[in-house]
Amino acid sequence: DVKVTQSSRYLVKRTGEKVFLECVQDMDHENMFWYRQDPGLGLRLIYFSYDVKMKEKGDIPEGYSVSREKKERFSLILESASTNQTSMYLCASSLQGVRGSPLHFGNGTRLTVT
Amino acid sequence: AQSVAQPEDQVNVAEGNPLTVKCTYSVSGNPYLFWYVQYPNRGLQFLLKYITGDNLVKGSYGFEAEFNKSQTSFHLKKPSALVSDSALYFCAVRDPGYSSASKIIFGSGTRLSIRP
Repeated sequence: DVKVTQSSRYLVKRTGEKVFLECVQDMDHENMFWYRQDPGLGLRLIYFSYDVKMKEKGDIPEGYSVSREKKERFSLILESASTNQTSMYLCASSLQGVRGSPLHFGNGTRLTVT
Repeated sequence: AQSVAQPEDQVNVAEGNPLTVKCTYSVSGNPYLFWYVQYPNRGLQFLLKYITGDNLVKGSYGFEAEFNKSQTSFHLKKPSALVSDSALYFCAVRDPGYSSASKIIFGSGTRLSIRP
């Protein structure tokens, strides 16, 4: 089974801090994703990466950046955390080149910015 | 533009009864459709998908979904609900006409509650 591991389940940070969310997958997937989940809004894509050092902005990239230096690791960076970034963050991965390849999700990181 | 709608925020069903969680979509081409389930404090788990072929697809935990092209729907069903099915369910759609795998749209989610 694919395992997607997010390094923290819960994080509490202060406004203005730089925050790193880490995600590692163990199945050699090319695609990796960062979503945020808010009640009533479903999942919204922040950033997507389809290869090492390659990235695409998603629907809500403002205030975030990403890093993918190795295939298995995809980091989400909040440059200067703000209270409106309090949310559940979900990392996911999928195979390229396979029709309808499903997403495999980590267990999420619940971030609170105070 | 792609979109997906889950018209019910919550569905309540008695254990042993059939359940349906509704999903409708809008894409320009032939869609790839997915259902995911999320248990408390967990990430989403893949349940089933429709790519092509038989309109009735079967997935994990006894769930199935029916693709209806004329009604642009992909409702999730189970003949006999279990208390353990209580969770948050998400429908998702991808238009394969887009080359980027990032073009996956999720619905807002439906909370399924099964009472004993």
